[in-house]
Amino acid sequence: QVQLVESGGGLVKPGGSLRLSCAASGFTFSDYYMNWIRQAPGKGLEWVSYITSGNTIYYADSVKGRFTISRDNAKNSLYLQMNSLRAEDTAVYYCARQANWGLIWGQGTMVTVSS
Amino acid sequence: QSALTQPPSVSGSPGQSVTISCTGTSSDVGSYNRVSWYQQPPGTAPKLIIYEVSNRPSGVPDRFSGSKSGNTASLTISGLQAEDEADYYCSSYTSSSTLRFGGGTKLTVL
Repeated sequence: QVQLVESGGGLVKPGGSLRLSCAASGFTFSDYYMNWIRQAPGKGLEWVSYITSGNTIYYADSVKGRFTISRDNAKNSLYLQMNSLRAEDTAVYYCARQANWGLIWGQGTMVTVSS
Repeated sequence: QSALTQPPSVSGSPGQSVTISCTGTSSDVGSYNRVSWYQQPPGTAPKLIIYEVSNRPSGVPDRFSGSKSGNTASLTISGLQAEDEADYYCSSYTSSSTLRFGGGTKLTVL
């Protein structure tokens, strides 16, 4: 079955950097679009970025120029490099596989940006 | 990139039906049949319950159904059960090739 396991979250100071990883299994990773979505504490879902199977990339305006999505099909892994972090980036970050424009989600990793 | 519009809360008694609306624009919901719905019980990750407006993934009960008219998509849950109590989110593809979520709706089963 599809399994997505995020890692790399933690506490970071404003202006700092963090790299999130998502390990995928149970499907042919290279065939699928992959997304990052976040959820601030007590708030709704916010789409962050996706990367297509052909490595075309899209970002939300709120993270453009600060975050970089990438994938390594040989390692069945998705990444999110987050730079210039702000307090408003504090959230649970979910990795999600996209198929038929529906998302299958991992369990998430918490990122806290605070001094 | 404002969120799709959902009612903050809905409620219903066991056995009843409820409908959650999701209003967008001609740049997202109105132009694409790429609307999906997610169920998120407290403290858990979202779960896909409807994709491409009205399709149910394997294992999702047929009590859950989706539809769309113009710029508004809808999720209907019939035969409400206590286990349906959760937050529900809609999502749509947009003309900018991005995804947009609704603000979420809290369903309370009375």
